Amino acid sequence: DTGVSQDPRHKITKRGQNVTFRCDPISEHNRLYWYRQTLGQGPEFLTYFQNEAQLEKSRLLSDRFSAERPKGSFSTLEIQRTEQGDSAMYLCASSLSGSGYEQYFGPGTRLTVT
Amino acid sequence: TQLLEQSPQFLSIQEGENLTVYCNSSSVFSSLQWYRQEPGEGPVLLVTVVTGGEVKKLKRLTFQFGDARKDSSLHITAAQPGDTGLYLCAPISGSGYALNFGKGTSLLVTP
Repeated sequence: DTGVSQDPRHKITKRGQNVTFRCDPISEHNRLYWYRQTLGQGPEFLTYFQNEAQLEKSRLLSDRFSAERPKGSFSTLEIQRTEQGDSAMYLCASSLSGSGYEQYFGPGTRLTVT
Repeated sequence: TQLLEQSPQFLSIQEGENLTVYCNSSSVFSSLQWYRQEPGEGPVLLVTVVTGGEVKKLKRLTFQFGDARKDSSLHITAAQPGDTGLYLCAPISGSGYALNFGKGTSLLVTP
């Protein structure tokens, strides 16, 4: 068990460019979550998958954001036409249904939009 | 929408001191979790409290869930530099699996 991994760890992009982040959850975990964290704030929920189905999306997830989990394993989060306000740490977490509410977080991808 | 407040927002203390941080809300929760986040890393679960009035101890950390299940506190005894980090509370309302974190308390323990 290597824990939740995220790639890349850091991304610097220019405003208007598209970016994609990847999350590999703990192998047997069927639930996967994306959160966004800005400086001085706690993580804010973006979206949640159970297996390959996207079951919940926050109002924070604008139409420029899309997340997928095609085979119920890894997930990608894409941001199109990035804006400076998208600069944040993007955290992925996973959990196993039936194990309560404990979520295991990855180290995050820090996005800077210039 | 629940209003969740963590206090203090920042705390800087010297090694060996005791401290308490708080998580307060106007809503009732089925349970509540505390996480610690170190710089550059994701949050790590410390404890889940479930029953009103419950007290849980984790080495030098003592967690308490309020009798009315609207608030919680975390007390650290004899703080160490390794306790430095952002302490986040995440109440569980039972209506979904997403965690709604507070803004956290940023703790710095200096030698």
